[in-house]
Amino acid sequence: QVQLKESGPVLVQASETLSLTCTVSGFSLTNYGVIWVRQPPGKGLEWMGIIWRNGNTDYNSALKSRLSINRDTSKSQVFLKMNSLQTDDTAIYYCTRVYGYNYLFDYWGQGVMVTVSS
Amino acid sequence: DIQMTQSPSLLSASVGDRVTLNCKASQNINKNLNWYQQKLGEAPKLLIYYTNNLQTGIPSRFSGSGSGTDYTLTISSLQPEDVATYFCFQYNSGLTFGSGTKLEIK
Repeated sequence: QVQLKESGPVLVQASETLSLTCTVSGFSLTNYGVIWVRQPPGKGLEWMGIIWRNGNTDYNSALKSRLSINRDTSKSQVFLKMNSLQTDDTAIYYCTRVYGYNYLFDYWGQGVMVTVSS
Repeated sequence: DIQMTQSPSLLSASVGDRVTLNCKASQNINKNLNWYQQKLGEAPKLLIYYTNNLQTGIPSRFSGSGSGTDYTLTISSLQPEDVATYFCFQYNSGLTFGSGTKLEIK
């Protein structure tokens, strides 16, 4: 069945770089895109960036200067790197599969809570 | 960027009530709108796509409607398990989530 699972450090120091991995199963990254979405504690959802099935990427303009997303299709993994972290980057980070032209985020990972410490 | 405004931010209703949640876009989004449900401590779940299409496995008491800038999610008969925060999401121009409506049982 389709599964996504985020992994990475739960505590990061301010000004450092966050590296997260989304490991997927049950589908191929060459057939579906993956989007990263984050949610600060008690707040709403913010899309961060997408890696499409062809490997192209799109980023939220608010994060574009700090963010990169790439993948290893042979390992079924998608990678997020974001630099210059600040305390307001503290959030739950989710990866989710993107299906179709209507941007269906149909399967989500459980999320990983990342705390940025000053 | 398109802004998405959801109202109300908090809604209390009784079991069995018909409930309507609103989402207003800052410009026409051509029905390119999805709805997500997020229960406490869980990842969001897709409910409705392209304004009024029910995702597989979602109960039929959920429905969506709208056009232009104004969209609604309706629960025909509120159930206890519907307690959650609901987010709209537009993909017509860029991508934007709404700020959410928290739905509680009265």
